[in-house]
Amino acid sequence: QSALTQPASVSGSPGQSITISCTGTSSDVGGYNYVSWYQQHPGKAPKLIVYDVSNRPSGVSNRFSGSKSGNTASLTISGLQAEDEADYYCSSYTSSSTVVFGGGTKLTVL
Amino acid sequence: EVQLLESGGGLVQPGGSLRLSCAASGFTFSSYAMSWVRQAPGKGLEWVSAISNIGGSTFYADSVKGRFIISRDSSKDTLNLQMNSLRVEDTAVYYCAKARGDRSSRGMDVWGQGTTVTVSS
Repeated sequence: QSALTQPASVSGSPGQSITISCTGTSSDVGGYNYVSWYQQHPGKAPKLIVYDVSNRPSGVSNRFSGSKSGNTASLTISGLQAEDEADYYCSSYTSSSTVVFGGGTKLTVL
Repeated sequence: EVQLLESGGGLVQPGGSLRLSCAASGFTFSSYAMSWVRQAPGKGLEWVSAISNIGGSTFYADSVKGRFIISRDSSKDTLNLQMNSLRVEDTAVYYCAKARGDRSSRGMDVWGQGTTVTVSS
């Protein structure tokens, strides 16, 4: 159950777009369309922002979008806003019927 | 309002036990799988365990397998985590989370506020 690989940090200016990658294996990310993304602000509980690779829960801004190619999933945030500054985590269902998270990515809005 | 409220955290010595509970409200508890996710101080999220909607199937991370037991009581709409043989590395905020469906595979859309477990002598 090795953690999925995410960049430790990314940054962007307001209005710009950024992409966060999430790399796994054929036993998790590559094997299932069950990748989710979570946003976590300091001291708060995580919030689901993308599920099933590219679907957004009701109420989540369409500035957040997800995709997947092979063993790597990606989260793109367009039109960056100050309130997007947070930690972002990917997760995937695995062939062991478990769930694995990525190490997390700290997004800084410059 | 859909809500999850964890309780039971605290300070425990290495080798000790603790039982966490999560009270669910605002949704049909028996229709959804549930999970526990933890976050060590300053660290990332770690999935701990999940249980199917009616409790027939349970799943554990390797790091807790054989020490933790997840269960649910649909008569009380409560999720539990019995933690035994606790280690210093189990120190974390423990979150209760609701799955989007009857299995834990498709994302967790409701989270509690977390309860803190500290394992220290």
